[in-house]
Amino acid sequence: ETGVTQTPRHLVMGMTNKKSLKCEQHLGHNAMYWYKQSAKKPLELMFVYSLEERVENNSVPSRFSPECPNSSHLFLHLHTLQPEDSALYLCASSQGYHLQGNQPQHFGDGTRLSIL
Amino acid sequence: KQEVTQIPAALSVPEGENLVLNCSFTDSAIYNLQWFRQDPGKGLTSLLLIQSSQREQTSGRLNASLDKSSGRSTLYIAASQPGDSATYLCAVLGSGGGADGLTFGKGTHLIIQP
Repeated sequence: ETGVTQTPRHLVMGMTNKKSLKCEQHLGHNAMYWYKQSAKKPLELMFVYSLEERVENNSVPSRFSPECPNSSHLFLHLHTLQPEDSALYLCASSQGYHLQGNQPQHFGDGTRLSIL
Repeated sequence: KQEVTQIPAALSVPEGENLVLNCSFTDSAIYNLQWFRQDPGKGLTSLLLIQSSQREQTSGRLNASLDKSSGRSTLYIAASQPGDSATYLCAVLGSGGGADGLTFGKGTHLIIQP
């Protein structure tokens, strides 16, 4: 039990499909994150939500649309994706957006996304 | 822009050996440095976090050092075990402290042979 649960674990979709990734944290944290992990590239931060408000969007294409309805849930809505979007998408949470001090992020096990 | 490099990219050693993983970063203005472990098909697990004012942190058989002025950190694993096999990631947090300033390396893929 990691405290951060992601569903589905695996997703295969065509480029014209619309799907959503879900993340739920049971740790009482108030900040949540989406990361993209591609083969042979460093982990890339996509979106940050703090107190349910989006803090950062690191120039992510609009075909990725995040939603944070409350502090425990985070979604990533996907539409019209490209083959290069195939990757492991990781969700994380932390107590506070500012990571000073010993307040590490807690990660889910990710959704492995494959675009046909 | 901060860049984090991890060497080697992959390492395979027999069980019982002591080993060192290296991490270097280009901008020494960091708030902290963190080592993570990632098992296949899993998320990241935090191992050790070193504040910029600290020189090292220890947890069990793991010891991480930080030399901020030279932009380097090492993760020392003593008496390696097959269960240590995983990918080890280094990440530095920029001095602003916001999560958007967290930069990761590509990782070292470690295999401990039984």
